[in-house]
Amino acid sequence: SYELTQPPSVSVSPGQTARITCSGDALPRQYASWYQQKPGQAPILVIYRDTQRPSGIPERFSGSSSGTTVTLTVSGVQAEDEADYYCQSADSSVTSVLLVFGGGTKLTVL
Amino acid sequence: QVQLQESGPGLVNPSETLSLTCTVSGASISSFSWSWIRQSPGKRLEWIGHIHDSGSTNYNPSLKSRVTMSVDKSKNQLSLNLRSVTAADTAVYYCARVVVIPGTPPLYYFDYWGHGTLVTVSS
Repeated sequence: SYELTQPPSVSVSPGQTARITCSGDALPRQYASWYQQKPGQAPILVIYRDTQRPSGIPERFSGSSSGTTVTLTVSGVQAEDEADYYCQSADSSVTSVLLVFGGGTKLTVL
Repeated sequence: QVQLQESGPGLVNPSETLSLTCTVSGASISSFSWSWIRQSPGKRLEWIGHIHDSGSTNYNPSLKSRVTMSVDKSKNQLSLNLRSVTAADTAVYYCARVVVIPGTPPLYYFDYWGHGTLVTVSS
């Protein structure tokens, strides 16, 4: 099986920069996406294709990739950004595909 | 605007079949690929599988022997059947639109999600 590893929690003060990492062996050859989930709500896509931001997502959300790690950066964190964040990627071959999520990171705004 | 709404029983007996429906509005179900994802009480997200606009399917190997997905184009609905359920299948079940772009590497991501429906497996 294929796993993506995230830190359980990240804490920052308002206005600071939060960085959430996601590690996986296949990430050098697969794209990653990021989702924000607030309590009682469905996940929302905030980053796709490692660095692309969907329309309607604030510019303070950005993504990057380096080797086996992808990173979601939230610049100038606001109270409303407090949520769980999940990375997602794929492990694919000619004959099969497996889509996987990381375990999630709780972003706390102090 | 694309909207998805899951529906089905909230309680299923062990060993029976979990059956859910997802009604899609704002998009033709024939033109996109659609997925089921579940989230356990511990909050981990698990991809169950997806069905392409062609009708072909990809399932999570860990669930493949118990899962069937289908679409009803006339109703613009997506369906999930999960057989022989146990307490470990208790989760919130989401349907989502999955963007699939072939290439090297291929690109997969979920751009629209339903609100989710809680299914509890218990007698």
